[in-house]
Amino acid sequence: EIVLTQSPGTLSLSPGERATLSCRASQSISSSYLAWYQQKPGQAPRLLIYGASSRATGIPDRFSGSGSGTDFTLTISRLEPEDFAVYYCQQYGSSITFGQGTRLEIK
Amino acid sequence: EVQLLESGGGLVQPGGSLRLSCAASGFTFSSYALNWVRQAPGKGLEWVSAISGSGGSTYYADSVKGRFTISRDNSKNTLYLQMNSLRAEDTAVYYCARRQTVVVVAATYYYFDYWGQGTLVTVSS
Repeated sequence: EIVLTQSPGTLSLSPGERATLSCRASQSISSSYLAWYQQKPGQAPRLLIYGASSRATGIPDRFSGSGSGTDFTLTISRLEPEDFAVYYCQQYGSSITFGQGTRLEIK
Repeated sequence: EVQLLESGGGLVQPGGSLRLSCAASGFTFSSYALNWVRQAPGKGLEWVSAISGSGGSTYYADSVKGRFTISRDNSKNTLYLQMNSLRAEDTAVYYCARRQTVVVVAATYYYFDYWGQGTLVTVSS
């Protein structure tokens, strides 16, 4: 099973700042199988990024994804109040696994 | 508009059974693989099971293999999860999610593009 490790566990930033979230895989995965989701309290996850770097429909361009192999990054260029949430990476390889999540909180 | 609506959650005793349903609308149901993903209270997301569009192929996480059965009725646009021998650690919100597949020249992309709102399963005596 491929394990995804996200860091940091919690990120405290202010609106307007830049957020960088990391997702590291225990073995190399295809970039086309790496996705990012946002989840707010009491809500279902929402797709942000697929294929490591492609934004889903309706996702603002302040969200961007990058990476390959075992290291992937979600960047939010300028935080808006509605961006404070939990973020998960997911891989769709031989099985399907999620990272443990990064909580993005208001500083 | 794509919609996924789960139902069937509730309180069940350890060792008991429950069947979850996910009613779908707004897309050609049989063309998409579907998944169940769960989230224990205060915890992260855990993939549980997947089924192909035809229903001919099914997949399970090791944590539920032999106890849970995924199925679908394409005539009713409904996905199911039969859960037997339930344990306290199965307590979670269960989401159904549609798998999108995008094939381009050099790659195939898989991701979950739509999710239901979830149904809570509580296993407790």
